[in-house]
Amino acid sequence: DTAVSQTPKYLVTQMGNDKSIKCEQNLGHDTMYWYKQDSKKFLKIMFSYNNKELIINETVPNRFSPKSPDKAHLNLHINSLELGDSAVYFCASRDGGLSSYNSPLHFGNGTRLTVT
Amino acid sequence: GQNIDQPTEMTATEGAIVQINCTYQTSGFNGLFWYQQHAGEAPTFLSYNVLDGLEEKGRFSSFLSRSKGYSYLLLKELQMKDSASYLCAVRDSSGGYNKLIFGAGTRLAVHP
Repeated sequence: DTAVSQTPKYLVTQMGNDKSIKCEQNLGHDTMYWYKQDSKKFLKIMFSYNNKELIINETVPNRFSPKSPDKAHLNLHINSLELGDSAVYFCASRDGGLSSYNSPLHFGNGTRLTVT
Repeated sequence: GQNIDQPTEMTATEGAIVQINCTYQTSGFNGLFWYQQHAGEAPTFLSYNVLDGLEEKGRFSSFLSRSKGYSYLLLKELQMKDSASYLCAVRDSSGGYNKLIFGAGTRLAVHP
């Protein structure tokens, strides 16, 4: 199946721990993103990579570190987890460079992170 | 800055028509998207407008007025499976690159 896939689907952990979320897309897209959806359902962009290069970093705390080993993968590592990090994290990809204005985002199924 | 407003909740009856409005303010408008998100699932793309006017796609249509900073999503012949959140998203290029900014979504409940 062609898709954006992310793992794990659920992640429950304690404050202070370090965790990673993995994302892979086999759509051949150039650009990948991490979005955070909080309890009020706002989807906010965190990071964007284009061909493994960081393009967008939306004032996310430096406890969050994305890594893109190749253009099909964009992982998210979070250090020293805090209660406020609890949210659903969506990976997404898009065809074309960042100047392509009409290509839609394709989202993964999300990772529900709960920090206790 | 950027601001996107849409109603929080709407209800409608199966078979009816519903219009979900979205108003936006952005300094670098570069297109508007509508996404559908069922509870616990990923958002999926519905429509895209960059020019003024109506885009029709089956039961769903989307309208844009750039001068008014206004869009709506029109859903016809509503089905129970249309119960979902509908997210309005604006592509903004004011930072020197394009990024998609989402509204909080409108939760639509379709009743029999």
